[in-house]
Amino acid sequence: DAKTTQPNSMESNEEEPVHLPCNHSTISGTDYIHWYRQLPSQGPEYVIHGLTSNVNNRMASLAIAEDRKSSTLILHRATLRDAAVYYCILRKGGGADGLTFGKGTHLIIQP
Amino acid sequence: DTAVSQTPKYLVTQMGNDKSIKCEQNLGHDTMYWYKQDSKKFLKIMFSYNNKELIINETVPNRFSPKSPDKAHLNLHINSLELGDSAVYFCASSSRFEKRGGGVDFGPGTRLTVL
Repeated sequence: DAKTTQPNSMESNEEEPVHLPCNHSTISGTDYIHWYRQLPSQGPEYVIHGLTSNVNNRMASLAIAEDRKSSTLILHRATLRDAAVYYCILRKGGGADGLTFGKGTHLIIQP
Repeated sequence: DTAVSQTPKYLVTQMGNDKSIKCEQNLGHDTMYWYKQDSKKFLKIMFSYNNKELIINETVPNRFSPKSPDKAHLNLHINSLELGDSAVYFCASSSRFEKRGGGVDFGPGTRLTVL
């Protein structure tokens, strides 16, 4: 499986934007870039995904590098409820493959 | 409007017992999964199942077996429970044909404690 690399932890202040980086230098052409997050004592939650173009939804934005070897999840205005572990995962489109989770980035939000 | 549900939420049992965790999804998905999250918070896939194929993670002991009575359910049976089986187990589902490209929906988890 193509691997992703994320910082172990990041800290940000409430109501400020947060940029969570992810490196995936061995990404293949059919891999989608997925982001999930896991809030304390909850199951993982889908955040956003993309293939080549930048993507926006109500939760976040995903900026994908032109060579697709890295991406950044952007939370435009972090709240305390965004404190979670964020996982960047590569997944083949159209398949039934499960997600392969790494260690993720533990995002700490300071009030 | 529960999407993926699991029962029970908590399960405490003795070593050597056999137990089951139930999972149901009402999303119309064609693929379901079981994940295990250990005490170090590492999430690992155990099984991937659709109505044609069961994919088993080779590291999962054969004491663990998924059973699917229909497309909306994937139950997890565990025989001869061991202390090391203590973990949080998550059920999940997805569709290969979903418009958003295959996002995976997770249940709330079942915390299994083996004494």
